[in-house]
Amino acid sequence: EAQVTQNPRYLITVTGKKLTVTCSQNMNHEYMSWYRQDPGLGLRQIYYSMNVEVTDKGDVPEGYKVSRKEKRNFPLILESPSPNQTSLYFCASSLSIRTGFYGYTFGSGTRLTVV
Amino acid sequence: TQLLEQSPQFLSIQEGENLTVYCNSSSVFSSLQWYRQEPGEGPVLLVTVVTGGEVKKLKRLTFQFGDARKDSSLHITAAQPGDTGLYLCAGDSGTASKLTFGTGTRLQVTL
Repeated sequence: EAQVTQNPRYLITVTGKKLTVTCSQNMNHEYMSWYRQDPGLGLRQIYYSMNVEVTDKGDVPEGYKVSRKEKRNFPLILESPSPNQTSLYFCASSLSIRTGFYGYTFGSGTRLTVV
Repeated sequence: TQLLEQSPQFLSIQEGENLTVYCNSSSVFSSLQWYRQEPGEGPVLLVTVVTGGEVKKLKRLTFQFGDARKDSSLHITAAQPGDTGLYLCAGDSGTASKLTFGTGTRLQVTL
């Protein structure tokens, strides 16, 4: 089944403790992206990757890191989480955007709480 | 920054009613997508519209892209409880490597 898999689904952590949210897709998609979703603010892009070893900042990159060493994986790293990073996070992928966006496949989300 | 405004924000209707959700912007988009998101899950792509004036149908859902490619609408005929969810529009400006998402319309359909 074609899908984007995120882990974990739920995570409660303490301020300052480094964490990684994994994202993997099995569709050979070039483009991958991370979003956070907050009430009243909608979906906001954190980072995106056009292909392996190519990443760039989205609208809200502060406090986050990403890497794209393999085409299928795009982990999101919080080096020193803070309470304002409590949110619902989504990983998404798309075949390619060179000719335009034709649709994202989203993961099921990771609900992160930083206390 | 491109903005996509959706209206209404909330909509509660009874089964069998018709409804229209709007997605408006002052910017031109090369394509626009609609997603539906259910609680606890990621958004699921419903449709992508590309050509100004384009109309696409997906069973009881009708999507239209404005002639000027600045706005779009989603019309649901004879709504059912299974249509309940958060509807999101998202636009591709064609010049940046990202989609701009609207803030969503939360639809509840009751029996």
